[in-house]
Amino acid sequence: EIVLTQSPATLSLSPGERATLSCRASQSIGRSLGWYQQKPGQAPELLIYDASNRAAGIPARFSGSGSGTDFTLTISSLEPEDFAVYYCQQRGFWPRTFGQGTKVDI
Amino acid sequence: QVQLVESGGGVVQPGRSLRLSCAASGFTFSGHGMHWVRQAPGKGLEWVAVIWYDGSNKYYADSVKGRFTVSRENSQNMLYLQMDSLRAEDTALYYCAREIPSGTFDVWGLGTMVTVST
Repeated sequence: EIVLTQSPATLSLSPGERATLSCRASQSIGRSLGWYQQKPGQAPELLIYDASNRAAGIPARFSGSGSGTDFTLTISSLEPEDFAVYYCQQRGFWPRTFGQGTKVDI
Repeated sequence: QVQLVESGGGVVQPGRSLRLSCAASGFTFSGHGMHWVRQAPGKGLEWVAVIWYDGSNKYYADSVKGRFTVSRENSQNMLYLQMDSLRAEDTALYYCAREIPSGTFDVWGLGTMVTVST
């Protein structure tokens, strides 16, 4: 099973700051990685697919990069609605797996 | 609009069974692989199972293999998860999710809560 390790567990920032979230895979998964945002009491929302492609309707302040084992989600300038938990997910191998999440809070 | 609505959750004793349903609308259900993902209270996301668009293939997480069965009825736009031999650690909010060609999940339901307890 592919293990995805996200860091840091919590990121404490202020609106307007840049957020950099990391996801590391236990073996190479090419670019087969997605990122999701989950707000309290809500279902996850797809942000990024194939490591760097923004999903429909996702603001340009969200960007993804990386390949192989190391991936990054960057939020260029945090808006108040961006404070949430972020998960990475790999689709290169079965079983599909998620990282444990990074909480971005104030 | 594109929508997934889960149902069938509840409180059940260990060892018993439960069947979850997911009603799809607003898109061509038979054109998408469908997944179940769960989230234990206060915890992260755990992938559970997938069924191919035509039902021809299914995969399961090791934690549920042999106990859970995923199925679908494309004529009714319905997805199911039969959960047998339930354990306390199966307690979670269960989401159904639509897969897109990138292998990610672009549409999620609101989830249905399953509590396994005496």
